[in-house]
Amino acid sequence: AQSVTQLDSQVPVFEEAPVELRCNYSSSVSVYLFWYVQYPNQGLQLLLKYLSGSTLVESINGFEAEFNKSQTSFHLRKPSVHISDTAEYFCAVSDGGSNYKLTFGKGTLLTVNP
Amino acid sequence: GAGVSQSPRYKVAKRGQDVALRCDPISGHVSLFWYQQALGQGPEFLTYFQNEAQLDKSGLPSDRFFAERPEGSVSTLKIQRTQQEDSAVYLCASSLPRSKNIQYFGAGTRLSVL
Repeated sequence: AQSVTQLDSQVPVFEEAPVELRCNYSSSVSVYLFWYVQYPNQGLQLLLKYLSGSTLVESINGFEAEFNKSQTSFHLRKPSVHISDTAEYFCAVSDGGSNYKLTFGKGTLLTVNP
Repeated sequence: GAGVSQSPRYKVAKRGQDVALRCDPISGHVSLFWYQQALGQGPEFLTYFQNEAQLDKSGLPSDRFFAERPEGSVSTLKIQRTQQEDSAVYLCASSLPRSKNIQYFGAGTRLSVL
């Protein structure tokens, strides 16, 4: 069974600082990787995904993540964060076999301070 | 509707009561999923429907949990004889059939069992 480890439960940063949220997954033949964001009292929103092709994927609001097969990682980065980025971020994986069951990490609470 | 709709948003139940949680998926999404998110944890898969067929119920924690989708649209997750450990946020997600792992989530139902 797949597993996902998010190494930091909380990450506080100042506005306009860079941030990296770490995610590692258990190895499998093929995987699909996702980052979801959850704002307070809202559902999970898909932020970005890696299915195949380029290992660097980007979101429309400036986040990016890089699939690193050798390190089984899919870290999320943003060069300059805003107050509005404050939220919980979840890394998720589905394997090529089942193709639908998402396995989530425990989440990282990103708090952006002024 | 524009997104996945879940009701009620909050449910308080006394231990031993039965509860029913409703999910309206995005129109045209034939795949539907239920996840359970305990406090401080990531969502965990419960069950999966393709139209009205329940193809995977491997994540249901006990036989007190039952899900149905009789007409292939709205789904109901029922929990019988609720226990305190059932307290969690129950998330529903839907997706298109050719991209089942790209799932769109509702805001969830927060169940508190007293």
